[in-house]
Amino acid sequence: NAGVTQTPKFQVLKTGQSMTLQCAQDMNHNSMYWYRQDPGMGLRLIYYSASEGTTDKGEVPNGYNVSRLNKREFSLRLESAAPSQTSVYFCASSEGRTSPAGNTIYFGEGSWLTVV
Amino acid sequence: AQKITQTQPGMFVQEKEAVTLDCTYDTSDQSYGLFWYKQPSSGEMIFLIYQGSYDEQNATEGRYSLNFQKARKSANLVISASQLGDSAMYFCAMREGLIGTSYDKVIFGPGTSLSVIP
Repeated sequence: NAGVTQTPKFQVLKTGQSMTLQCAQDMNHNSMYWYRQDPGMGLRLIYYSASEGTTDKGEVPNGYNVSRLNKREFSLRLESAAPSQTSVYFCASSEGRTSPAGNTIYFGEGSWLTVV
Repeated sequence: AQKITQTQPGMFVQEKEAVTLDCTYDTSDQSYGLFWYKQPSSGEMIFLIYQGSYDEQNATEGRYSLNFQKARKSANLVISASQLGDSAMYFCAMREGLIGTSYDKVIFGPGTSLSVIP
């Protein structure tokens, strides 16, 4: 099972460049999430989508945009990358709170982004 | 405002001993869920245990148990009989939002680094 797939795994950007991180899940999950992980700060929620067609801001949304393209895919876009956006980005998905059993959150392997 | 607090940046435990990792949370929701995840040095996020706010019994999964004290808003992870492979970062997380709604926000604490000593 593929689970949650993120691309690319590694990327180096120059300041001001734009890029999109892609995420897809094959578990028919309703909820999807984007996090960034920085040393000593745990995972911080950037954006989330509780269902196809809805997106909401998380804890640190500034400088990012998202698109829930369909139920499977949730992309994260950096319009004008800054060095402060150097981080490891994780996509995650969950069946969602519409289901009492949908409590486990599944993570992708992470995308290492460096902005120089 | 930080909603998940993990006050122990680093912990050491002797192999085969039990260890408790602390987590406190803040929410005004009546319905919420609490998770613990493990992140080894390889970087993947591994689900350990889940506790719902209305669950009357503390959750257990093998060597992991969650000491849930709702009135104190704490959800401590207890690892029994520590193994060398337990050395990792451990994250507490909280899910807010009512079942059946479109609000489904999951936030994480800053983590605790656990080192198991032979």
